Amino acid sequence: QVQLVESGGGVVQPGGSLRLSCAASLVTFSNSKMHWVRQAPGKGLEWVAVISYDGSNIHYADSVKGRFTVSRDNSKNTLYLQMSSLRTEDTAIYYCAREQSFYDSSGYYYVPASDFWGQGTLVTVSS
Amino acid sequence: DIQMTQSPSSLSASVGDRVTFACRASQSIATFLNWYQKKPGKAPNLLIYGASSLQSGVPSRFSGSGSGADFTLTISSLQPEDFATYYCQQTYSTPLTFGGGTKVEI
Repeated sequence: QVQLVESGGGVVQPGGSLRLSCAASLVTFSNSKMHWVRQAPGKGLEWVAVISYDGSNIHYADSVKGRFTVSRDNSKNTLYLQMSSLRTEDTAIYYCAREQSFYDSSGYYYVPASDFWGQGTLVTVSS
Repeated sequence: DIQMTQSPSSLSASVGDRVTFACRASQSIATFLNWYQKKPGKAPNLLIYGASSLQSGVPSRFSGSGSGADFTLTISSLQPEDFATYYCQQTYSTPLTFGGGTKVEI
């Protein structure tokens, strides 16, 4: 059974930094793209970042680009999100998720989706 | 960036009802469309991938359809455990984007 466990959340002042971790009990972690997704209080889901299986390809949402850094250590089956210059609007529950690709019903398109998620860790940015 | 618009933002329904909600992309995304269920305090749960394929373990009362820019999620007979918020997500291109969600209430 796949398990993803986030940690590292907490309360931080605006302008501060925090590092989140996502520990994966996942045999195929080193072969999997991984995502960070967040949900601010009372708001919808917001995609944050994705990292390729080997860390060579990374993409960020514009809202976090230049402030957040995603990385991974495949020897430890762990995903990280280094957050700096935090703002009040970064307050959210942060989830890590494994990406898997599936053929659609036509068998033509190979569609990525997040099939396993952690339970999330709460980050509160407040003075 | 591809914008995803869901409608309605909320709906009230009863157990046993058939409910359908919509998701529209700002451009064609073929079938790079997934649906997730989100309950308070729980992680999102993948229901449908590739617009219409049911994820393993998901009840068959859930179904998805569409391609291009217009998609729908249908619950054929609403069950008590289905009261939740449903999000569509495009994985056609980064940044990946979610719709604003449809909250299904009693």
